[in-house]
Amino acid sequence: KQEVTQIPAALSVPEGENLVLNCSFTDSAIYNLQWFRQDPGKGLTSLLLIQSSQREQTSGRLNASLDKSSGRSTLYIAASQPGDSATYLCAVRPGGSWGKLQFGAGTQVVVTP
Amino acid sequence: NAGVTQTPKFQVLKTGQSMTLQCAQDMNHEYMSWYRQDPGMGLRLIHYSVGAGITDQGEVPNGYNVSRSTTEDFPLRLLSAAPSQTSVYFCASSYAQGAGRNTIYFGEGSWLTVV
Repeated sequence: KQEVTQIPAALSVPEGENLVLNCSFTDSAIYNLQWFRQDPGKGLTSLLLIQSSQREQTSGRLNASLDKSSGRSTLYIAASQPGDSATYLCAVRPGGSWGKLQFGAGTQVVVTP
Repeated sequence: NAGVTQTPKFQVLKTGQSMTLQCAQDMNHEYMSWYRQDPGMGLRLIHYSVGAGITDQGEVPNGYNVSRSTTEDFPLRLLSAAPSQTSVYFCASSYAQGAGRNTIYFGEGSWLTVV
């Protein structure tokens, strides 16, 4: 069974510092991996999606890398801002069970002014 | 473009009552799914559908029922509510399998308390 882990569970950084969020998965046979942001009391907003054939995706200050062989993805957020405070979740779509998206528990980020 | 719409946003049920959480999407997505989110446990898949008339179980299906009669709607039924079903429920949708079109979109969530 695919297991998705996000470490650390919580992170606090001063404004301006770069954020590095980690996601690991146990089965490398994935279709894609997606990073989400969740604000308190809200649904999930998609940030970046990486197909299994890709190594990274970029959008503005966000960059996500994927290393399938080692079962790892990293989300980088450059020059963090207080508005980046949220919970960040990664989700893996398995190749064999396409419908069964598997989520990590998330990393709660606080960016202090 | 409304995206994924869930109703109700908040609901309190008594143990043993039944209810239906509604989910509708206007993006012509084939794939729809229901998750529950509990503290410390992340999101867990309840049921999902890859098209009208096709549903399958996820990780935690017991106590829940679904059907998919149209592309747009995917209701989740709680058959006999239990306190263990107190949770936040999220509906999500995406296009079916196909490179570059699998971004998944979530509704705003439904907060359910069973007393």
